[in-house]
Amino acid sequence: GENVEQHPSTLSVQEGDSAVIKCTYSDSASNYFPWYKQELGKRPQLIIDIRSNVGEKKDQRIAVTLNKTAKHFSLHITETQPEDSAVYFCAASIRAGNQFYFGTGTSLTVIP
Amino acid sequence: EPEVTQTPSHQVTQMGQEVILRCVPISNHLYFYWYRQILGQKVEFLVSFYNNEISEKSEIFDDQFSVERPDGSNFTLKIRSTKLEDSAMYFCASFRTGVYGYTFGSGTRLTVV
Repeated sequence: GENVEQHPSTLSVQEGDSAVIKCTYSDSASNYFPWYKQELGKRPQLIIDIRSNVGEKKDQRIAVTLNKTAKHFSLHITETQPEDSAVYFCAASIRAGNQFYFGTGTSLTVIP
Repeated sequence: EPEVTQTPSHQVTQMGQEVILRCVPISNHLYFYWYRQILGQKVEFLVSFYNNEISEKSEIFDDQFSVERPDGSNFTLKIRSTKLEDSAMYFCASFRTGVYGYTFGSGTRLTVV
């Protein structure tokens, strides 16, 4: 089955700096890659996603890049703010409706 | 914005007891899922449900687990005889084709003592 690895497990950045979280996956059949943000004690919420026919997608301060050949994808948050502090999970799936394989999460702390 | 709702938010049960976790998916969604998250760990897939039957399930979803859609709105997860290691946050999610990404519910924290 699919194996998704995520790095780093913890990340601290100064407010205003950029944060980058990286994930790799093993199954070349995966072609849908969502990112979820989970605040303490709350549900995971989708923040951005990308399909394999796209190399990059951006939504305001958040961007995701995908390298299908190398089987890795990354989340980029620019101009970080304290409210960006949360655990971020990447995931991979064959299709958007199939089961998601989640990474182990990155705890991001933005220091004011 | 439509939400997936789960009840109860927290359930404490004795080991060996049966529990039923309840979910109301978004009304026009057709795919339903249960995931769990042990404290501090990643979210793990349990089961997906479509057209009144299980479409995928993981190794975690053994004979102690079952799912049901008893009526047009509820989607339930039953654990027949709970074990200590079943203690986790259980998330329900639903999905509609054409809209990417699941919508997760707020979760039920199950504590088995």
